[in-house]
Amino acid sequence: DTEVTQTPKHLVMGMTNKKSLKCEQHMGHRAMYWYKQKAKKPPELMFVYSYEKLSINESVPSRFSPECPNSSLLNLHLHALQPEDSALYLCASSQGSVADSFSYEQYFGPGTRLTVT
Amino acid sequence: AQKITQTQPGMFVQEKEAVTLDCTYDTSDQSYGLFWYKQPSSGEMIFLIYQGSYDEQNATEGRYSLNFQKARKSANLVISASQLGDSAMYFCAMRESKNSGYSTLTFGKGTMLLVSP
Repeated sequence: DTEVTQTPKHLVMGMTNKKSLKCEQHMGHRAMYWYKQKAKKPPELMFVYSYEKLSINESVPSRFSPECPNSSLLNLHLHALQPEDSALYLCASSQGSVADSFSYEQYFGPGTRLTVT
Repeated sequence: AQKITQTQPGMFVQEKEAVTLDCTYDTSDQSYGLFWYKQPSSGEMIFLIYQGSYDEQNATEGRYSLNFQKARKSANLVISASQLGDSAMYFCAMRESKNSGYSTLTFGKGTMLLVSP
């Protein structure tokens, strides 16, 4: 099973709301990632968790708060977002840690399309 | 300077024809990995093929092959016998070591492929 699931598929939220995005994988992967993708652009890395510890934070604003409750789950908590944060948020996972073999491909989920009003 | 360059914003091909999507990369690392992903309009990033910097043979996966020319720093994707379902955005990506010891994916800007009947 090479599946990464993400919920919800679509999310509309106001600038004062608090919401969470959820990502789950059952492939035994030890690295999980959050990406942000604007229309017609490549994905931009936000966070990386390796063995359930935050390894990389690409200078993401604090209104985005990641959480990795266990090796299969990754959450992204959202608070006081801006309209420019509207995008497709992709979760991915890969075997091993980010410092491991170059051959570890990342498996992506279907994404959550977020609209901030 | 861009690490991954995809010079073709859009490509058109007729069904059953072969098509080559270009990708050049820039790195000073000796060890790195090159990936191609497909992203249909639904949003999910689908892993297609991987080539390691030390791999002597070009990678192949079904109808996908990677034309790896290390001296020219190019890693072009060849899709044989195009199908209507191949219409999608295609991203070339590279994984290299950063000074911190972590390696993450860097994506090109993508090429939109349209397959016509």
